[in-house]
Amino acid sequence: GAVVSQHPSWVICKSGTSVKIECRSLDFQATTMFWYRQFPKQSLMLMATSNEGSKATYEQGVEKDKFLINHASLTLSTLTVTSAHPEDSSFYICSAREGPWQETQYFGPGTRLLVL
Amino acid sequence: GNSVTQMEGPVTLSEEAFLTINCTYTATGYPSLFWYVQYPGEGLQLLLKATKADDKGSNKGFEATYRKETTSFHLEKGSVQVSDSAVYFCALSDSGGGADGLTFGKGTHLIIQP
Repeated sequence: GAVVSQHPSWVICKSGTSVKIECRSLDFQATTMFWYRQFPKQSLMLMATSNEGSKATYEQGVEKDKFLINHASLTLSTLTVTSAHPEDSSFYICSAREGPWQETQYFGPGTRLLVL
Repeated sequence: GNSVTQMEGPVTLSEEAFLTINCTYTATGYPSLFWYVQYPGEGLQLLLKATKADDKGSNKGFEATYRKETTSFHLEKGSVQVSDSAVYFCALSDSGGGADGLTFGKGTHLIIQP
């Protein structure tokens, strides 16, 4: 149980295009989902927190207009990288938890984005 | 702000060796502490956790004790196996119930040789 999937697992796009990454909780309802970014040999850095049906909360320094997050249902959150540039190339990982006071986060396998 | 520092790898050990991966933290409140493991090609999985000082988390032979006096949460295992080869992340959550996202260390790549 408690499986989180991400799609696609990797994507290559041209500079200036937009890319959408999906995060799904397969066997539980996720009231909260988190989006992280990981650079090579670096920590996972929290980008934003999204609660179903409300606007995402972004961490300091994360451009909300560049990284659009939608959490329209209890099993799906999407991250759209708008007008992607090479510096947006990274590994994006989502996680989900069942309720607001559940500490355990279940992680997806990640999506590797390469912007040319 | 919050931060987690863990030893950088790769750490290479022989099978049945004793494992310690150091982790120290800085937090403004009373954090919960976690160890996550990432096997090749898979997502992060919770390995163990501790929510208050002196708690010991344990799972699959791994243990870590929440030491408030040294702000540490070192991961140990008495006898490692080849199947333990993975990347291990120490993390903290600085609000009760995990209302916020996690702050991670950089990860330690563990390689166990037969």
